[in-house]
This record gives sequence, C-alpha cells and structure tokens, in this order.
Amino acid sequence: DAGVTQSPTHLIKTRGQQVTLRCSPKSGHDTVSWYQQALGQGPQFIFQYYEEEERQRGNFPDRFSGHQFPNYSSELNVNALLLGDSALYLCASSVSSGTDTQYFGPGTRLTVL
Amino acid sequence: EDQVTQSPEALRLQEGESSSLNCSYTVSGLRGLFWYRQDPGKGPEFLFTLYSAGEEKEKERLKATLTKKESFLHITAPKPEDSATYLCAVQAWGNEKLTFGTGTRLTIIP
Repeated sequence: DAGVTQSPTHLIKTRGQQVTLRCSPKSGHDTVSWYQQALGQGPQFIFQYYEEEERQRGNFPDRFSGHQFPNYSSELNVNALLLGDSALYLCASSVSSGTDTQYFGPGTRLTVL
Repeated sequence: EDQVTQSPEALRLQEGESSSLNCSYTVSGLRGLFWYRQDPGKGPEFLFTLYSAGEEKEKERLKATLTKKESFLHITAPKPEDSATYLCAVQAWGNEKLTFGTGTRLTIIP
C-alpha cells in the first residue's frame, strides 16, 4: 500500500520566481492538506482540499494557491517567492468520513535564494 | 486560538532510561490529539490519536495518555532508534487543520 508521495524532493528557486509542488494521497484517501515547516518549528497549516475545492485556509497570503484533481492528487503553487518561503512543504492525506488522522508524505525541501 | 506547548524542547537519555514528554494544549472543543515522530529532513510519521480524557494507547515502547489539559508520551526502556523529534498536534471540532507544537527532540545515547 503506497503511502503519501510528494515531488520533487528538493527544489532551489530565486526570489520572485514561481514554484509548483505535487502530492499524491495515500490509497483510499480523498482529502489533502498542505503544511509549511520552517527549521526547528512545527508544521503550519496552509490549506485543505476536498472534492476539488479549498475547504479551509490558514494564515497564508494569496501567493499560496492550490488545486485538487479528480484522482485526489493535489498541487501547491507559490508565486513571487520570498526568502522566507524557504521551508519543508508537507502534504498530508486523510479520509473525509474516517477518523480524520492525517498521514504525511516525505516533504519537499524548498530553498529560495 | 488553539495552542500547543511541548516540553522539554530537548531531552537526552541513556539507553534503557525511561521518561515522559509533555504536551499542554488549549483548544475550543477537542476533536483529537495526535502524536507524530519526525526524523531529520523527513515527514512526520503517525503514532497515536487520542480523543477523550482518560484514553491511553500503546505501541511497542511508547504509551500516550490524555487529560483535559495535557497529554504525555511515555517512553519505556528506549533504544537509540527511538531518537527523533516527537510532535504533538490538536484538532478542534469544526476545524480541519492540525495545530502543532514545536516538538521535543529526543536523543537516546547507547
């Protein structure tokens, strides 16, 4: 049973550029959440997607946007990158009608220079 | 606003030396409290979900307990492979997000 997968593993961008991160949920899961984890901090909630709609959003600017596809996979887009966007970006999947436990992928390490 | 505070920030133990990690929380109606283990540069690995005060769950050398204000992760006779950062998170009713603490970095010395 494949777990949550994310791509790419690492990414280096320069300020002002745009980036797209990808996530495939665990088999049988229909909900995807995205988190940002700065070094030495706990993950911070960005948003959650269910039925191809953004269901809830955290305190992140509009530069952060997302999408969910009919196969439940998801993308996180960040525009106009800032140095402070450097972090580990985590995708978590869950079942909307289940125990709500969120299972995390390995993350994408984004470095903005 | 939901808050989670974990203590200590870091803990060094000798192999076999049991201890406990603390997670204090404030939340407007607890839907669930979650414990994760995170190795450096990796994603958090799910350990336990607790739903109500008095609940306990065990897995190998780990046992998680829950009260109305805090949760403990007890580690019995730890081994070096238990070294990791342990994260605690809460979820409130009517809320989809997990609110995390900053974690406890546990090091087990052989």
